Amino acid sequence: QQQVKQSPQSLIVQKGGISIINCAYENTAFDYFPWYQQFPGKGPALLIAIRPDVSEKKEGRFTISFNKSAKQFSLHIMDSQPGDSATYFCAASMRGSQGNLIFGKGTKLSVKP
Amino acid sequence: DTAVSQTPKYLVTQMGNDKSIKCEQNLGHDTMYWYKQDSKKFLKIMFSYNNKELIINETVPNRFSPKSPDKAHLNLHINSLELGDSAVYFCASSRTSGLEGEQFFGPGTRLTVL
Repeated sequence: QQQVKQSPQSLIVQKGGISIINCAYENTAFDYFPWYQQFPGKGPALLIAIRPDVSEKKEGRFTISFNKSAKQFSLHIMDSQPGDSATYFCAASMRGSQGNLIFGKGTKLSVKP
Repeated sequence: DTAVSQTPKYLVTQMGNDKSIKCEQNLGHDTMYWYKQDSKKFLKIMFSYNNKELIINETVPNRFSPKSPDKAHLNLHINSLELGDSAVYFCASSRTSGLEGEQFFGPGTRLTVL
């Protein structure tokens, strides 16, 4: 039973384009939604996170859009750069879960120069 | 300075052996975790310790035993290794075990069981 569904599995974008990765969740008790970025041979690192009391959060070129009624959230990478090529994971956790992050299956992003 | 470190980075061993992976964090965090990332990159939590006490124990074979000698260390011991244990194991830490404790991941240990 996968509680956080992520798509697409892989994504190829031209330099300067917009990368969009989508996630959907089932458990309405989730109330923290981070995105992690993982480069080959490295551990995941927190990129940006959102709580469901806001519909959008922006940090630099990275934006999370959140739709509580649809139980969906997405990561938008504006002006995508080759250095953004990595695997991106959405995740979710709920209050009282002691930091138990439920991860999506990941999206491998390749940004072509 | 490395925030979360793991040793070894690579571990190749035979089926049936017992092995350990060590993790140390120098961030002063209270909570540490072990994750398993399989060949398809799926990342799943295995254990979590807060101030040396086990707080998350997902459905993991009891051949896996975490040990936390102090707040800065969380080691993973695996008995009777099986082929299916081959994966990358990540240690992570966070300031709290609460909702928004950003988790800092180590570089991973790639375990290959032959």
